Amino acid sequence: EDKVVQSPLSLVVHEGDTVTLNCSYEVTNFRSLLWYKQEKKAPTFLFMLTSSGIEKKSGRLSSILDKKELFSILNITATQTGDSAIYLCAVRPGTASKLTFGTGTRLQVTL
Amino acid sequence: DTAVSQTPKYLVTQMGNDKSIKCEQNLGHDTMYWYKQDSKKFLKIMFSYNNKELIINETVPNRFSPKSPDKAHLNLHINSLELGDSAVYFCASSQDFVGSSPLHFGNGTRLTVT
Repeated sequence: EDKVVQSPLSLVVHEGDTVTLNCSYEVTNFRSLLWYKQEKKAPTFLFMLTSSGIEKKSGRLSSILDKKELFSILNITATQTGDSAIYLCAVRPGTASKLTFGTGTRLQVTL
Repeated sequence: DTAVSQTPKYLVTQMGNDKSIKCEQNLGHDTMYWYKQDSKKFLKIMFSYNNKELIINETVPNRFSPKSPDKAHLNLHINSLELGDSAVYFCASSQDFVGSSPLHFGNGTRLTVT
């Protein structure tokens, strides 16, 4: 069965700090890994990673995948209070469209 | 314009009742999903439909019955509701079932069974 483990489970940082969120996985016939941000309602899509070593970047957020070691990291630089959310990592096997999610990392950014 | 919309947003009902949640997407996607998120925020797939055909059916009690009248709609009917059904139910869609595109989620329906 596919499995996703995220760490840490929760994190409190000060505005301006840089954070790194971790995601390790086990999946049959890996196809892609996705990161989502969930505030109060719908998870919103951040990144989809399919190849090792290629960094995806969007503003202060970036992510990279290591298919050999089966993990991904999500970096957020110069954090802001608006970054406070649950960050979800999910993997997708090559044989099905479904995503298997981790339990998420709850990030709180304080002033 | 809401891409994936679910109704109702909140649903409070008693044990034993039957209820439905509706979902519509205007993205032109072929594939739709139902996910359940428990109190610990863990999102778990329930069903997936591609062009009105069921393609994923996880280990879900048969009290849950999805229906897709067309590829833009996926509804979820739940019979004989139980306390353990209390959760947030998310509808989602993706361009195809091959997995080349991300899922887009609705805002969720918070179901409370008393």
